[in-house]
Amino acid sequence: SQQGEEDPQALSIQEGENATMNCSYKTSINNLQWYRQNSGRGLVHLILIRSNEREKHSGRLRVTLDTSKKSSSLLITASRAADTASYFCAPRRDDKIIFGKGTRLHILP
Amino acid sequence: EAGVTQFPSHSVIEKGQTVTLRCDPISGHDNLYWYRRVMGKEIKFLLHFVKESKQDESGMPNNRFLAERTGGTYSTLKVQPAELEDSGVYFCASSQRGLARSYNSPLHFGNGTRLTVT
Repeated sequence: SQQGEEDPQALSIQEGENATMNCSYKTSINNLQWYRQNSGRGLVHLILIRSNEREKHSGRLRVTLDTSKKSSSLLITASRAADTASYFCAPRRDDKIIFGKGTRLHILP
Repeated sequence: EAGVTQFPSHSVIEKGQTVTLRCDPISGHDNLYWYRRVMGKEIKFLLHFVKESKQDESGMPNNRFLAERTGGTYSTLKVQPAELEDSGVYFCASSQRGLARSYNSPLHFGNGTRLTVT
């Protein structure tokens, strides 16, 4: 299916460490987007990588995309307490954007 | 610019009752999406409007769910009659739709409506 599947389901790391989350999907895509959700709030768009791109940076975020393996990764460097949230990858094919279960990231003080 | 707003933020109803959720997208956003998240599961796509037209309603669970977007502005999602399994958080999202049908416009989400059916 187009749905992205995030791995791991949950991740706890010490503040200051790097966090890596992975995403796999099964269909061809136009782009892949990553979103963050803080508890009780809506999803917030973080970064978008197009199908013809392999790597993209935005501040402390680094996203990679391997269309041959149908996988993507999100790296958050120098994590902060405020990064505690759920993270979702969203493969986009035409007008459809499908989300998975997300990765729950907990930054320990 | 005002963000996507959803109303109500919470709703508790009994099985068999009717509930109507409302979403006001960002002004000028032709795309409007509804999603639902049941605790611990994926954020499930329900349907997609382009202006007032239903572009894709393949995710709607059954005919107890009715979505409308009269005039291409705000949208409502009615559940009638509600069942226990309808409980969850309903999210609305909107995005721009350019002449080139840009697929690179990000979604802007509301804070969701938490629906509890007892």
